[in-house]
Amino acid sequence: DAEITQSPRHKITETGRQVTLACHQTWNHNNMFWYRQDLGHGLRLIHYSYGVQDTNKGEVSDGYSVSRSNTEDLPLTLESAASSQTSVYFCASSAYLGGATDTQYFGPGTRLTVL
Amino acid sequence: GQNIDQPTEMTATEGAIVQINCTYQTSGFNGLFWYQQHAGEAPTFLSYNVLDGLEEKGRFSSFLSRSKGYSYLLLKELQMKDSASYLCAVGSDMRFGAGTRLTVKP
Repeated sequence: DAEITQSPRHKITETGRQVTLACHQTWNHNNMFWYRQDLGHGLRLIHYSYGVQDTNKGEVSDGYSVSRSNTEDLPLTLESAASSQTSVYFCASSAYLGGATDTQYFGPGTRLTVL
Repeated sequence: GQNIDQPTEMTATEGAIVQINCTYQTSGFNGLFWYQQHAGEAPTFLSYNVLDGLEEKGRFSSFLSRSKGYSYLLLKELQMKDSASYLCAVGSDMRFGAGTRLTVKP
């Protein structure tokens, strides 16, 4: 069965360190997204990609970067982790053929703590 | 820009009906989605509306009025397992509201 996975599921790191969160999907979807979820803010879009070599900034992209070298993976890098980046991170993918195929399938999430 | 508003919390009784509202302002519209998210889990798709009117899917229905920038999710015959957050999302870049936490009480 097709799926979307994230690793690690939990991560504790220190301020200033570089951290990379992995996202892998086997849906063969063109679109991939990264969100962070904080209490009171819901899901906020960090970066998204509509295909290989395509990346775009979302509403809270400062301090984060992504790259898309293949269809299956969209790793999220925190260049220099800050305590404000402590959050739960969700990766999602969608087919994006228009309409209901914009439906997103979410990974299980990564809980990141920056000390 | 986009603004998506939902009530923060709602409480309802098992077996009852509850309506969760979502209002939005957006520069582009490519349909409205509702997702369910249980505590500690990932969001999962519930419904999609692109035309005005009601879409029914079992105990769950979703309504859209594009002219009013308004949608609601209607949950019937509430069950304890329906206790979750319900997220409204609009736009081709999938922006989400903050979510409505629904608590179903016996």
